[in-house]
Amino acid sequence: AQSVTQLGSHVSVSEGALVLLRCNYSSSVPPYLFWYVQYPNQGLQLLLKYTSAATLVKGINGFEAEFKKSETSFHLTKPSAHMSDAAEYFCAVTRPGGSQGNLIFGKGTKLSVKP
Amino acid sequence: DAGVTQSPTHLIKTRGQHVTLRCSPISGHKSVSWYQQVLGQGPQFIFQYYEKEERGRGNFPDRFSARQFPNYSSELNVNALLLGDSALYLCASSPAKLQEYGYTFGSGTRLTVV
Repeated sequence: AQSVTQLGSHVSVSEGALVLLRCNYSSSVPPYLFWYVQYPNQGLQLLLKYTSAATLVKGINGFEAEFKKSETSFHLTKPSAHMSDAAEYFCAVTRPGGSQGNLIFGKGTKLSVKP
Repeated sequence: DAGVTQSPTHLIKTRGQHVTLRCSPISGHKSVSWYQQVLGQGPQFIFQYYEKEERGRGNFPDRFSARQFPNYSSELNVNALLLGDSALYLCASSPAKLQEYGYTFGSGTRLTVV
């Protein structure tokens, strides 16, 4: 069975500081991995995805993530936080080629950005 | 182009009632999935439909059902509502059932059961 663990339900950084949101996955086969962002009272927006091409994936709004098979990790980073990055971030995994394309989400990490 | 649209945006229902939520996918997208997001949790998979056929079902009771229409829009139906069904219901669309395209989510329907 696949699963996702997001370490830290709440992360707080200062504006301009590095953002690091952690995601570890469990999968019996090489997975596809996604990061989504959710602003208050809104749906989910895709930040980036890993689908077995380059292990370093660049997304929107300056975010990137690196797939590390040996560590079963897919951590999300951004070099310099902006106030507009305050939101909840979800890591998700799915099984390539599975009969159903459902995403399995982590519990989310709420990012706060201090002025 | 319009994104994934869901209606209504909010609604309040009483325990035991029935509710229908609607979703229109992005034009050209043939796959629609439904997710339930309880406050403070990540979304949980309910159903996936592709080309009008059910392709996947999550661990939800039979009170939950869905269908996809010839124009690829979809409805999620929930019968005999319980207080625990209060959640944000998200619809996601994708060009195909294959996962590598990713999914585009709508803004959701906030259901409150009282």
